[in-house]
Amino acid sequence: GIQVEQSPPDLILQEGANSTLRCNFSDSVNNLQWFHQNPWGQLINLFYIPSGTKQNGRLSATTVATERYSLLYISSSQTTDSGVYFCAVGALRFGAGTRLTVKP
Amino acid sequence: EAGVAQSPRYKIIEKRQSVAFWCNPISGHATLYWYQQILGQGPKLLIQFQNNGVVDDSQLPKDRFSAERLKGVDSTLKIQPAKLEDSAVYLCAVTGLAGPPSYNEQFFGPGTRLTVL
Repeated sequence: GIQVEQSPPDLILQEGANSTLRCNFSDSVNNLQWFHQNPWGQLINLFYIPSGTKQNGRLSATTVATERYSLLYISSSQTTDSGVYFCAVGALRFGAGTRLTVKP
Repeated sequence: EAGVAQSPRYKIIEKRQSVAFWCNPISGHATLYWYQQILGQGPKLLIQFQNNGVVDDSQLPKDRFSAERLKGVDSTLKIQPAKLEDSAVYLCAVTGLAGPPSYNEQFFGPGTRLTVL
């Protein structure tokens, strides 16, 4: 089946810093989503982005489907951005996630 | 996430007991998924329903897990008998809540946290 790799596995930032999370996938897909799992375990939709670029406030995402990767950008990070970020592709195969900690 | 309710939110049982989880999405969608998320890992798909029919259950441990979807809306997931390694969060998700072109966008319920002692 399709393989999904996310990097980095862990990321620690100071509040106000910017970051880029990466998702590589092994096969062409027509479905890709980014989620944020908050400390209470709820998976929150960030972007549905099988291709192209989208922006929502301080977050933006780009998927280059032909090169099989997607990037999630977080600018001016806040402590509330802490949690685990997941990329899910295809028939919703999830990567292992990036655990983000934003320190005040 | 709005649109998908799950119950119970927490469950503690002893190994070899049985347990059932419920997923109650709002109506008007076709596809429903159950995932298992073990601590520290990403969610793993257990079963996918399209209306009442099963599309993919290749990762469902069928000797102990079963699932059904009633009238294309609600769904139940059952474990019988439970093992220690079944301790996890069980997540229900649906597609079809968003309009085109995001019809395949998944929305998750809050999950049921199962602890098997």
